[in-house]
Amino acid sequence: AQTVTQSQPEMSVQEAETVTLSCTYDTSESNYYLFWYKQPPSRQMILVIRQEAYKQQNATENRFSVNFQKAAKSFSLKISDSQLGDTAMYFCAFMKHVLPPSAGGTSYGKLTFGQGTILTVHP
Amino acid sequence: NAGVTQTPKFQVLKTGQSMTLQCAQDMNHNSMYWYRQDPGMGLRLIYYSASEGTTDKGEVPNGYNVSRLNKREFSLRLESAAPSQTSVYFCASSGRERGGTLAKNIQYFGAGTRLSVL
Repeated sequence: AQTVTQSQPEMSVQEAETVTLSCTYDTSESNYYLFWYKQPPSRQMILVIRQEAYKQQNATENRFSVNFQKAAKSFSLKISDSQLGDTAMYFCAFMKHVLPPSAGGTSYGKLTFGQGTILTVHP
Repeated sequence: NAGVTQTPKFQVLKTGQSMTLQCAQDMNHNSMYWYRQDPGMGLRLIYYSASEGTTDKGEVPNGYNVSRLNKREFSLRLESAAPSQTSVYFCASSGRERGGTLAKNIQYFGAGTRLSVL
């Protein structure tokens, strides 16, 4: 079974500064996906960024980037130029690789989440 | 586009009562999931449906049943609610991306149902 650990229950950062959230995971799988989801006070789960384990290049999405260290089983999230709207709970999640679908076929995966990190951005 | 819609948004039950949480998606996704979120914990998978006509247990299935009514709808039923089932419940779906030819294994979540069992 996979486990995901977020060791920082809470973090804070000043607006416009950079913050890094940590995540480690344990798995015997070699192919998998890693995700960061954001949950603002509205409770909606919003995908921030996605990383495929077979890709060595770190994923980036605008102000969000990851540092993926496969050997160390580490997947940290860096938020640059923090904004007040970034205030939220952030969850790291692991998904075991599933076979790619045939045309019209099914692809699915079960997510295993970490405990979450509450990030507060101060003005 | 609505995405994933959950009803109701809030519910209070007494111990022993039953209820069904509804979930519908309009993204033509094959796979659907039910998770629960408890304070201080991440989401945990209750049941999932890889495709229409199939359902399987997740990490915490005890006390729940599910029905994949059709491709769009996936319901979660509590037959005899217990205080330990007080939680926030999320439905999610995944499948081919709109306009794409490959599934990226991204799960899209509903807004959640806050359930209290007294």
